[in-house]
Amino acid sequence: GAVVSQHPSWVICKSGTSVKIECRSLDFQATTMFWYRQFPKQSLMLMATSNEGSKATYEQGVEKDKFLINHASLTLSTLTVTSAHPEDSSFYICSAKIQSSYNSPLHFGNGTRLTVT
Amino acid sequence: AQKVTQAQTEISVVEKEDVTLDCVYETRDTTYYLFWYKQPPSGELVFLIRRNSFDEQNEISGRYSWNFQKSTSSFNFTITASQVVDSAVYFCALRPNTGNQFYFGTGTSLTVIP
Repeated sequence: GAVVSQHPSWVICKSGTSVKIECRSLDFQATTMFWYRQFPKQSLMLMATSNEGSKATYEQGVEKDKFLINHASLTLSTLTVTSAHPEDSSFYICSAKIQSSYNSPLHFGNGTRLTVT
Repeated sequence: AQKVTQAQTEISVVEKEDVTLDCVYETRDTTYYLFWYKQPPSGELVFLIRRNSFDEQNEISGRYSWNFQKSTSSFNFTITASQVVDSAVYFCALRPNTGNQFYFGTGTSLTVIP
């Protein structure tokens, strides 16, 4: 149980285009999902907390107009990288915790490797 | 402050050796939760264990064991008789009782040499 599906696993796009990444909780509901970014050989950097039915909460230094987050249902959150540039190339990982369980661990998607050329 | 420190950046061991990964945390909360995750080269993060702050029992699961010491704010992870498949980056994480946020350490990259 507690499976998080993230799609796509990898994407290559041209500079200036937008890329949408989907994160789905397959067998549980998640009012809150988290989006992380990970640079090579570095730790996870929390970008934003996605809240179902309301605006996402962004961490300091993360541009909300560039990284659009939509959490339209209890099982789906999307991250759109708008007008992507090579410096946006990174590994993006979503995660969710089981809504009904206070001490639930985070369950992670498999990540999306974005390369902007 | 809420913080997790994994002082070991990289560790290499020869197969069948035991290895301990250190994790030290800081938190203002009296109730909190600690986690270990494994990130193999493929990239996905795999949940290994959760420990509540009010439960100081150590835990063993096969070749894995965890030593939670509240007095030293540490939650160390030992792999016994390491195998090549254990090669991965391991992250320790803290979730305080207040708020929703998880705080991750910088990770320890473990390489098990055959």
